[in-house]
Amino acid sequence: RLQESGPGLVKPSETLSLTCTVSGGSVKNDYWSWIRQSPEKGLEWIGYMYSTGSANYNPSLRGRVTMSVDTSKNQFSLKMSSVTAADTAVYYCARREIESSKDQNWFDPWGQGTLVTVSS
Amino acid sequence: DIQMTQSPSSLSASVGDRVTITCRTSQRIGTYLNWYQQKPGRAPKLLISAASSLRSGVPSRFSASGSETHFILTISSLQPEDFATYYCQQCYLTPFTFGGGTKVEVK
Repeated sequence: RLQESGPGLVKPSETLSLTCTVSGGSVKNDYWSWIRQSPEKGLEWIGYMYSTGSANYNPSLRGRVTMSVDTSKNQFSLKMSSVTAADTAVYYCARREIESSKDQNWFDPWGQGTLVTVSS
Repeated sequence: DIQMTQSPSSLSASVGDRVTITCRTSQRIGTYLNWYQQKPGRAPKLLISAASSLRSGVPSRFSASGSETHFILTISSLQPEDFATYYCQQCYLTPFTFGGGTKVEVK
């Protein structure tokens, strides 16, 4: 139901751009996340955004991250600027589901993931 | 950031064994903790939410408990399809953080 797409190779200092296509549901009225995984850092939450545009990013990424939602295409996107080799990872998109009564939340489902390598 | 410490980092077990994985957090998080299973080349799969709620479709041999800073995932009778890596994740405060994982291997 979630499928990541984008370049598998990005040059250092350039911008990584990924898109997640949602099928079998709507991006509207929901929270969408990006998470990455590397052998060095393990699983790392990048951020999430609501379909109306409000977002929450991991401060460790120092303002390099921007997320957006395109409701007309039922997609959401990630842009990460000034990438280095440390940004090489498998990138996952996921839905952040919230149980409204207690604010419990979790990531489900996840996309299959896409490997992004930062190299010249 | 809330630090997540899983133990052990790996374990060897046989089919039918009872397996216990521990997750400790650097600060109190109530029951805002999730467990995921990941198999090689696959995305993590949600097993348990809110510290102890088994997700739909997850076998009942999986259970979890705990609160505040100490959480446990138990597999009561390990099955061949359970050999995987398991992660805990806190959803109490951003930035959300994950444990380092526990790899369950064949003994």
